[in-house]
Amino acid sequence: DQQVKQNSPSLSVQEGRISILNCDYTNSMFDYFLWYKKYPAEGPTFLISISSIKDKNEDGRFTVFLNKSAKHLSLHIVPSQPGDSAVYFCAASAEEGSGAGSYQLTFGKGTKLSVIP
Amino acid sequence: DAGVTQSPTHLIKTRGQQVTLRCSPISGHKSVSWYQQVLGQGPQFIFQYYEKEERGRGNFPDRFSARQFPNYSSELNVNALLLGDSALYLCASSFTGELDEQYFGPGTRLTVT
Repeated sequence: DQQVKQNSPSLSVQEGRISILNCDYTNSMFDYFLWYKKYPAEGPTFLISISSIKDKNEDGRFTVFLNKSAKHLSLHIVPSQPGDSAVYFCAASAEEGSGAGSYQLTFGKGTKLSVIP
Repeated sequence: DAGVTQSPTHLIKTRGQQVTLRCSPISGHKSVSWYQQVLGQGPQFIFQYYEKEERGRGNFPDRFSARQFPNYSSELNVNALLLGDSALYLCASSFTGELDEQYFGPGTRLTVT
């Protein structure tokens, strides 16, 4: 049972245009969401995060939107650059218990973004 | 500053064997998490350790075990290897393991034949 779903395995975008990557989740206990970028032969690299108390977070060219009622988040990249070509993972975390609970990440399957020059 | 390091980079084992993977966190980080990434899937949580104590365990069989040392480095052990254990094993470190960003290492590619 996939709790974090990225339904688009791949996405192609022209350089300079907007890239929109989508993510849906089913677990209502998730309260913190992250996006990671992964190049081949490297580990995932943190991009941007958002807490469930917000509906938008911006960092330079990257913006994440959270729609809690729809259990949906999206990552916008504007403008897209060829160096953004990578696999993007959506991840979610739920605070378990109090104090020293485990803050494990649950990942989606990823979306491969190709930015065409 | 050095990032998260993992060794070995690649490993080939035979079914039934045992394997130990190693991870050194970023200096100052006290939490280490382990993830398994099977081809075509996202990383799946295996363990989290903080200050040498197991803080969380994912849905993996008892063949998987881990520990964290006083210098905060960590080992992941897998016994009685199965073909399905073939995957990229990722280690991530963070300062507290709580809701902050985890920094991932490049992973160890394990192939079980």
